[in-house]
Amino acid sequence: EAGVAQSPRYKIIEKRQSVAFWCNPISGHATLYWYQQILGQGPKLLIQFQNNGVVDDSQLPKDRFSAERLKGVDSTLKIQPAKLEDSAVYLCASSSLYPQGAGELFFGEGSRLTVL
Amino acid sequence: AQKITQTQPGMFVQEKEAVTLDCTYDTSDPSYGLFWYKQPSSGEMIFLIYQGSYDQQNATEGRYSLNFQKARKSANLVISASQLGDSAMYFCAMREGRMDSSYKLIFGSGTRLLVRP
Repeated sequence: EAGVAQSPRYKIIEKRQSVAFWCNPISGHATLYWYQQILGQGPKLLIQFQNNGVVDDSQLPKDRFSAERLKGVDSTLKIQPAKLEDSAVYLCASSSLYPQGAGELFFGEGSRLTVL
Repeated sequence: AQKITQTQPGMFVQEKEAVTLDCTYDTSDPSYGLFWYKQPSSGEMIFLIYQGSYDQQNATEGRYSLNFQKARKSANLVISASQLGDSAMYFCAMREGRMDSSYKLIFGSGTRLLVRP
């Protein structure tokens, strides 16, 4: 079974530029999450989708961050304009809607953003 | 609000010895789940072990075990017979929301473990 795919793995941009990250979850997983992990900290949830609807975006800085999940599969997270404090790893995760076991989240390898 | 606390920013352990990583949590929901993830330097989050709030026995997965003390609201991870490959960041996380509905994980700040040869 293929895991969660993310791209790009690394991105370096100047402040005020824009960037987009892409995520393809595990096939059949209805729930998709974007987490932001700043160096030395634990992941913080930015947005959660169930199918193509937003469940929770309470911690998404909506003045600069946007995310969509068209057709309930792939998702894109965009930052425009980027700030220095957006430097972080952006982790995408997915989970099954009715898990049989622990209900753990499956994570991609992350997209590391550096804003100069 | 739910909260996860990991008070050990970093720990050392000698190879082949056991180590305990601390995690305390705070929730008013009687139904919750606790997870431990490992994050090597490569960055991926690897699921290690899970404990449900109604589980009677402490969870075990190979060399990993979870010391679940419900009254103290603690869910410490015990790694037995440490190996050099265990050197990584370890995160404790709690499920917020029911498993038959939308749920998310709230993470602690992590503990960096370094295994000495």
